[in-house]
Amino acid sequence: QVELVESGGGVVQPGRSLTLSCEASGFTFRNYGMHWVRQAPGKGLEWVAVIWYDGSKKYYGDSVKGRFTISRDNSRNTLYLQMNNLRGEDTANYYCAKEGVRFLGAFDMWGQGTMVTVS
Amino acid sequence: AIQMTQSPSSLSASVGDSVTITCRASQGIRNQLTWYQQSPGKAPKLLIYAASTLQSGVPSRFSGSGSDTDFTLAISSLQPEDFATYFCLQDFIFPWTFGQGTKVEI
Repeated sequence: QVELVESGGGVVQPGRSLTLSCEASGFTFRNYGMHWVRQAPGKGLEWVAVIWYDGSKKYYGDSVKGRFTISRDNSRNTLYLQMNNLRGEDTANYYCAKEGVRFLGAFDMWGQGTMVTVS
Repeated sequence: AIQMTQSPSSLSASVGDSVTITCRASQGIRNQLTWYQQSPGKAPKLLIYAASTLQSGVPSRFSGSGSDTDFTLAISSLQPEDFATYFCLQDFIFPWTFGQGTKVEI
């Protein structure tokens, strides 16, 4: 079964850190770039970060650059998002998403999301 | 960062209607635009990428067009399951950016 399952969300105080995980199954994880996308309650989508299929390149959204780090462990089929110095505006549902076409924004698979509340 | 502006922010329609949603980029992005549909409480669903390529399994009543700065998502003969929020995403240059969304209401 092709699936992405996020975990690690919760309530955290401003200034603290949190690490999200996204476990992949049902496809060859190491062949695909992976992204994090977030959505604040009642708001639109915000692209957060990408990591190349081999981990060689990483890019970040302006609002998280310098505070968040995306990484992956292809041996564990798992994607991570290390979030430091969290702020109230980071409160959101965080989705991991798989690229469907290499290097394009065509995310053909999404997890169910994990909620992060900074308060 | 490239700004993506969708219009309208919301629209009302009936089953069977045809609707059009536009997305404008603050600078040229060639054809590097993707469209998503999101129903309440669900993850987004990929509809169209590279401006006009229909994702496998997506009904043909959805179509995309445009290039450079102006793009359109058209839905013909709206079905009940099409009432949702639609987002565009530019994947031309990092940081990638979404439009603010268009809610299609009954």
